[in-house]
Amino acid sequence: DAGVIQSPRHEVTEMGQEVTLRCKPISGHDYLFWYRQTMMRGLELLIYFNNNVPIDDSGMPEDRFSAKMPNASFSTLKIQPSEPRDSAVYFCASREHGATNEKLFFGSGTQLSVL
Amino acid sequence: RKEVEQDPGPFNVPEGATVAFNCTYSNSASQSFFWYRQDCRKEPKLLMSVYSSGNEDGRFTAQLNRASQYISLLIRDSKLSDSATYLCVVPPGGYNKLIFGAGTRLAVHP
Repeated sequence: DAGVIQSPRHEVTEMGQEVTLRCKPISGHDYLFWYRQTMMRGLELLIYFNNNVPIDDSGMPEDRFSAKMPNASFSTLKIQPSEPRDSAVYFCASREHGATNEKLFFGSGTQLSVL
Repeated sequence: RKEVEQDPGPFNVPEGATVAFNCTYSNSASQSFFWYRQDCRKEPKLLMSVYSSGNEDGRFTAQLNRASQYISLLIRDSKLSDSATYLCVVPPGGYNKLIFGAGTRLAVHP
């Protein structure tokens, strides 16, 4: 298996522009997570899905952020409009269903820079 | 108090040394804990899970002290390849809402 695949690896954009980050989870994994990592705040959970349904979006910072999972193999995280404080590494992760399957598999991340 | 606190380091140790990191957590209801490893500019990867009092895997030993609410990670015979940031992870809300510590950076030098 190729693991969790994220694109793009790097994104540089100007303030006010729309940014879309993409993620393909590991096949068969029921849960998908979006995390953001910064030096100041570390790794923060933004939102997670179970069977394509958003379960908890309490970590989404504000209305400028939205996430979708139209099918089991694809998810997007959109920021519109983007701001310099959104600059961070955004990770997508997935895991299997099951009480003992706690292992999270992370993608390589998207390094976002908003100028 | 933060939910998960770690000494940020860096810990600079020579090859072959033994090094230990501590992590304190605030939610006493947490039942299991994890250590993730993150290399520079890479994604975090699960290193060890800790369910009861501790766990050992080769040179790595994780211990849990529920009374004092801390977990530790001991690395024996450090290798250059152990250089990374070690993230303490607590699931107070279950496996879907993991709380990651800020990480402890380890640098092993020749």
